[in-house]
Amino acid sequence: DAKTTQPNSMESNEEEPVHLPCNHSTISGTDYIHWYRQLPSQGPEYVIHGLTSNVNNRMASLAIAEDRKSSTLILHRATLRDAAVYYCIPSYNAGGTSYGKLTFGQGTILTVHP
Amino acid sequence: SAVISQKPSRDICQRGTSLTIQCQVDSQVTMMFWYRQQPGQSLTLIATANQGSEATYESGFVIDKFPISRPNLTFSTLTVSNMSPEDSSIYLCSVEKGINTEAFFGQGTRLTVV
Repeated sequence: DAKTTQPNSMESNEEEPVHLPCNHSTISGTDYIHWYRQLPSQGPEYVIHGLTSNVNNRMASLAIAEDRKSSTLILHRATLRDAAVYYCIPSYNAGGTSYGKLTFGQGTILTVHP
Repeated sequence: SAVISQKPSRDICQRGTSLTIQCQVDSQVTMMFWYRQQPGQSLTLIATANQGSEATYESGFVIDKFPISRPNLTFSTLTVSNMSPEDSSIYLCSVEKGINTEAFFGQGTRLTVV
């Protein structure tokens, strides 16, 4: 599995954008990049995923470097509800290997200040 | 999407006893997964449960300690056997609904062994 490096913690103010970086320099060409987050006392929830192109959804945007060795999760306007641990997870998917088998790193603890 | 119900949500158990955790999904899924989250730590995959076959365990986890059942496509159980205080963790069930889809997690079962 590709190894990831994320900051242990980050802080933001409410209503401001947040850029959460992730280094995954050992990623292979077929690894998708997934982001999940875990709110306090809850199970992880899916945020976004992508392969090569930048991706947008209602929750966030994912910017993937051209060499795919790093990516950045962008929360456009942080809210207090976005305070969580954010996990960047490269996930191998070929020949039927499933997305559900995820290898979680330590993630980034995001604190949002009012 | 998938709605996952885990029971119990929490329990306090005596060492040497066993606890069975149930995971119910609101729709049929092929792959179900069990994770452990030790206090202050990230999630670690215990095993993959497929209907109609034995579960596949990750390194460091064995069937005698964590027997798993998967009687149908919407239900699975994880038993934590002969518990010790080191087994105190949150145990989470996860599912995926197909290749190239996101994973969904239950709220977890918080187990304390005394």
